[in-house]
Amino acid sequence: QKEVEQDPGPLSVPEGAIVSLNCTYSNSAFQYFMWYRQYSRKGPELLMYTYSSGNKEDGRFTAQVDKSSKYISLFIRDSQPSDSATYLCAMKPSGGSYIPTFGRGTSLIVHP
Amino acid sequence: SQTIHQWPATLVQPVGSPLSLECTVEGTSNPNLYWYRQAAGRGLQLLFYSVGIGQISSEVPQNLSASRPQDRQFILSSKKLLLSDSGFYLCAWGNRGFGAGELFFGEGSRLTVL
Repeated sequence: QKEVEQDPGPLSVPEGAIVSLNCTYSNSAFQYFMWYRQYSRKGPELLMYTYSSGNKEDGRFTAQVDKSSKYISLFIRDSQPSDSATYLCAMKPSGGSYIPTFGRGTSLIVHP
Repeated sequence: SQTIHQWPATLVQPVGSPLSLECTVEGTSNPNLYWYRQAAGRGLQLLFYSVGIGQISSEVPQNLSASRPQDRQFILSSKKLLLSDSGFYLCAWGNRGFGAGELFFGEGSRLTVL
């Protein structure tokens, strides 16, 4: 079992839909949870990160962490064609580790 | 603000030729530096990371090497490329110290080995 599991998709939705992207993990030591967006042929871009459990909102994006279920989500409201990209989750324990563990990414397609 | 530059953006190399990819970071000091490879349809594979000048940790044994000659410069090299070295190479930096460990990536270098 991989430490971080993420459905590769593609996930295809109509413009304006609410998108839910998810990752599950097995390492209970993970405390920091990050979401990256990667456009085709570009480097990943950090969207947001959360610490421990709870929600964090930034504009149309909401990150949610459920540590009891070892499950994290990224919600995108009012999705736009410009949101079409691959979304990678990443997570890291607190303490001295410098290396986050990445999911393989979910490809999202928002069609007009 | 911090910026990361990576070059060349694209290159096509014959099997057996050498490789040098360069990465520099501006606007920060003492960053952690990373080299990742992303094969088509696959996730990010950590190749090397560095916590200081001359300090390189290798995550995957292969014919690639990395060097950090200056605090904000990270170089990925190979003496003889293999077909399997083709891929999208990403340099990233992160802050030292405890924290979220978020990484900031360059635009990537796409390598095709023929």
